[in-house]
Amino acid sequence: QKEVEQNSGPLSVPEGAIASLNCTYSDRGSQSFFWYRQYSGKSPELIMSIYSNGDKEDGRFTAQLNKASQYVSLLIRDSQPSDSATYLCAVNHSNTGFQKLVFGTGTRLLVSP
Amino acid sequence: GAGVSQSPSNKVTEKGKDVELRCDPISGHTALYWYRQSLGQGLEFLIYFQGNSAPDKSGLPSDRFSAERTGGSVSTLTIQRTQQEDSAVYLCASRFGQDSRETQYFGPGTRLLVL
Repeated sequence: QKEVEQNSGPLSVPEGAIASLNCTYSDRGSQSFFWYRQYSGKSPELIMSIYSNGDKEDGRFTAQLNKASQYVSLLIRDSQPSDSATYLCAVNHSNTGFQKLVFGTGTRLLVSP
Repeated sequence: GAGVSQSPSNKVTEKGKDVELRCDPISGHTALYWYRQSLGQGLEFLIYFQGNSAPDKSGLPSDRFSAERTGGSVSTLTIQRTQQEDSAVYLCASRFGQDSRETQYFGPGTRLLVL
């Protein structure tokens, strides 16, 4: 089992729809969870971080965390073609002293006009 | 202010040659990370520097890889006797402090191609 798992996609959604990106992780002691967006040929940029169970909203983005199920998701409302990118889920693992991020391989999102 | 910068942006080298990749973190950031991203893959942790502490080298794939950070600022990642499988984008990231919840800011990366 990979430490952080994501569906590679591509996830295709029409413009204006809700895109739902999912991530599961193996370390039950993980405490910090991050979503990064990476455009093709560019470096990752932080979209959302979440540390507590529940939802965290920032504009069109909502991160959801369920530690019991070891599951974190990112919802993008009113998806735009400019949201087309690869979304990387990253987790701080307790067995590394929380100092290193373990990344999933990313989900490619395609938003069609 | 200025973000994380890396040089060179692209590097083509021949198998067996040594290469040096440079990272300039954001001023005042105490933590610095090196990652590797192969085509279509996620980010692979290589090494982590925090202040004056001994670096965490647990992600370095072989003894051909080494890194140093001088004066708590600029870092250099060195790959000796490069192999074709070393071809990847090498990303550097920095973070302000020791709190793992703080954001890591990534540089633009160095694309390394080993022929």
